[in-house]
Amino acid sequence: DGGITQSPKYLFRKEGQNVTLSCEQNLNHDAMYWYRQDPGQGLRLIYYSQIVNDFQKGDIAEGYSVSREKKESFPLTVTSAQKNPTAFYLCASSIASGNSYEQYFGPGTRLTVT
Amino acid sequence: AQKVTQAQTEISVVEKEDVTLDCVYETRDTTYYLFWYKQPPSGELVFLIRRNSFDEQNEISGRYSWNFQKSTSSFNFTITASQVVDSAVYFCALSEGDRGSTLGRLYFGRGTQLTVWP
Repeated sequence: DGGITQSPKYLFRKEGQNVTLSCEQNLNHDAMYWYRQDPGQGLRLIYYSQIVNDFQKGDIAEGYSVSREKKESFPLTVTSAQKNPTAFYLCASSIASGNSYEQYFGPGTRLTVT
Repeated sequence: AQKVTQAQTEISVVEKEDVTLDCVYETRDTTYYLFWYKQPPSGELVFLIRRNSFDEQNEISGRYSWNFQKSTSSFNFTITASQVVDSAVYFCALSEGDRGSTLGRLYFGRGTQLTVWP
């Protein structure tokens, strides 16, 4: 079955550690996105990638980094510079980067940093 | 400024009631797209509908219907005869015309938590 996988579903880290969240898609989509969701908030865009080896910052990129070495993979690293990293992280993809295309979402990773 | 406003933070209804979720958007583009997503307790967002700015026809899909009105910049979502399984957070989202750096960006509202009681 085609879809987006994110692992793990729950992740716990100590403050000061970097952590990488996995996102894999087998939909053959060109574009991929990372969002952060906090309680009572909508989704806020962290980074997005329109094509392999290219990515752009979203609204809240500070303290995060990404790579796009393969079409199907778009990992997100939450660095120790991110001041408030505890949140629900959602990865998405769309068939292309045009604005008319709906995005499909993975199940999310809930990160808790203590 | 918020591009998408969902003024209703939480709505509670009893099963079989109809319920409308409001969405107001703001854009200067003439070409734009509006979306609704459902987020059940599991967390994954599920795509429900996409509407482009040139198509103001209302759409019905089973118990779901959408009312797009450019004059009031609104794209409201109605669930008819609600069921317990409709309980979720519903997000309205906007993407604007194809202009370089905005390609592929979705702007989300803060969501409306719908609870349907048996």
